[in-house]
Amino acid sequence: GAVVSQHPSRVICKSGTSVKIECRSLDFQATTMFWYRQFPKQSLMLMATSNEGSKATYEQGVEKDKFLINHASLTLSTLTVTSAHPEDSSFYICSADRPGEQYFGPGTRLTVT
Amino acid sequence: AQSVAQPEDQVNVAEGNPLTVKCTYSVSGNPYLFWYVQYPNRGLQFLLKYITGDNLVKGSYGFEAEFNKSQTSFHLKKPSALVSDSALYFCAVRALISGGYNKLIFGAGTRLAVHP
Repeated sequence: GAVVSQHPSRVICKSGTSVKIECRSLDFQATTMFWYRQFPKQSLMLMATSNEGSKATYEQGVEKDKFLINHASLTLSTLTVTSAHPEDSSFYICSADRPGEQYFGPGTRLTVT
Repeated sequence: AQSVAQPEDQVNVAEGNPLTVKCTYSVSGNPYLFWYVQYPNRGLQFLLKYITGDNLVKGSYGFEAEFNKSQTSFHLKKPSALVSDSALYFCAVRALISGGYNKLIFGAGTRLAVHP
C-alpha cells in the first residue's frame, strides 16, 4: 500500500517559537494533501487542504497566519505552527490523496511548554 | 449537511465473540464510505471501503462491513474478536467540496475493548 511519512514524530517547543512538520508521500505523487488535528480521545478535525502549486484551503475557524501550509512539491507538504502556545499542543496528522483513497501519516505529537 | 455518526463511545466484547461497531451516515448522492483504525499515538490505518458493488465489503485483519442504503448504515463487523483488535475505530464518508476536491468527514470514533 501507499506510504506517507511525517517528520518529526514528536516535538517539544517553547511558547512563542515556530515548529515545522513535514508530510511526504513516499511512493506516489499527491496533488492534494490534508492536515488534521486530533485532541485526546476525540476525532480528527480537518484543518486545511493543501494543494500543490496553489494556496491551501483552510476550514472555518482555522487561523491561516498561525498554521502556515506549503505544498512545495507533489510529494511534500509542510505545516508550520507559528508563535506556538500551549493550546496548540495536539496530535497533528496529515494524509495524501490518491484517487479514491486517502493515506495517512503516522502523526506528529506537538507539545508546547 | 453531510455527516457521520458513531453512536457508541465504547464497545466491549470478549475475545472470540463477534463484534459490531456501528456507523450511520448522511450524504447527498452516492456515498463513499471508509473504516479506519487508530492505535495509541499512531496515525490512521485503512481497513476497508465501500464505493459500489456488493453490500458486504471485506477488508484487512478479518474485518468486514455491510452497506445498508435503506438504513444509511455501514457497520463494521468481525466474526471473532482478538485482544489485539482493541483500538479506536473511525467511520468516514468522502464529501465533495468546493474546487472539485474531496475531503473525509469522520465520525467521533468508537473505542473497541476486547477482553480475554
